[in-house]
Amino acid sequence: DGGITQSPKYLFRKEGQNVTLSCEQNLNHDAMYWYRQDPGQGLRLIYYSQIVNDFQKGDIAEGYSVSREKKESFPLTVTSAQKNPTAFYLCASSTRDSTYEQYFGPGTRLTVT
Amino acid sequence: GQSLEQPSEVTAVEGAIVQINCTYQTSGFYGLSWYQQHDGGAPTFLSYNALDGLEETGRFSSFLSRSDSYGYLLLQELQMKDSASYFCAGYSSASKIIFGSGTRLSIRP
Repeated sequence: DGGITQSPKYLFRKEGQNVTLSCEQNLNHDAMYWYRQDPGQGLRLIYYSQIVNDFQKGDIAEGYSVSREKKESFPLTVTSAQKNPTAFYLCASSTRDSTYEQYFGPGTRLTVT
Repeated sequence: GQSLEQPSEVTAVEGAIVQINCTYQTSGFYGLSWYQQHDGGAPTFLSYNALDGLEETGRFSSFLSRSDSYGYLLLQELQMKDSASYFCAGYSSASKIIFGSGTRLSIRP
C-alpha cells in the first residue's frame, strides 16, 4: 500500500537538544511538505520541496532545517534555536501539478521540556 | 497577505445538513481545498474547487464563488463519525497552500 510514514509517533526531548523527525513516502510524489499544528489551530507551513535537492522556506522556517537527498525522504530537524518546539508535526506529499491535494502522514507529537 | 477565515465551531444534529463557510484573501488565487481531520489524526483531502459552482462527492459538496472570495463545505445526512475539524485551504500561484484555522464540527444525537 502506498502512503506516508512518520516516526516516531511521540517524541520527548530536553530543551537545547536538536531532534530529527522522519518522513518517508512511497507515492512517487515529487513535492513534500512539513507543517506544524498547535492545539486548536490550523496548519502552518515550515518547509517544502518540489524536487530532490531543492527546498524552500515556508511561513515559519526559523529554528528548523530540512534536507531532500532522496525523492522518498524529507527529514525535518528541530534545532535548539526553535523557541517553542512543542507541537504536532505533519508531513505531506503531492504531485507537482496537484499541490491542492496533499496526502498526510500520521504525524509526530514532539514534547520538549 | 494571504488569509482564510472560517468559524471556529459549528454544532449540528445527526441526520441534518450543515454548511461550513470560508472567506479568503489570497493573491494569485487558484482554488480552494477542503480537508477533514479527526482528533489526533492526519488531515485527509475532501475536495477542490478551481471554478465557480458546486462540486458534489457523495454526502459532501463544496462550493466556490471567486467573485465573492467565498466558499463553503456542505455536509448532508450527518453521521456521528463526521465529528471532526474541517479546514479550508487556498491554493495560489506560488504553488503554496495556505490553511484556515479550522472549524470544529460537533454532532449531537
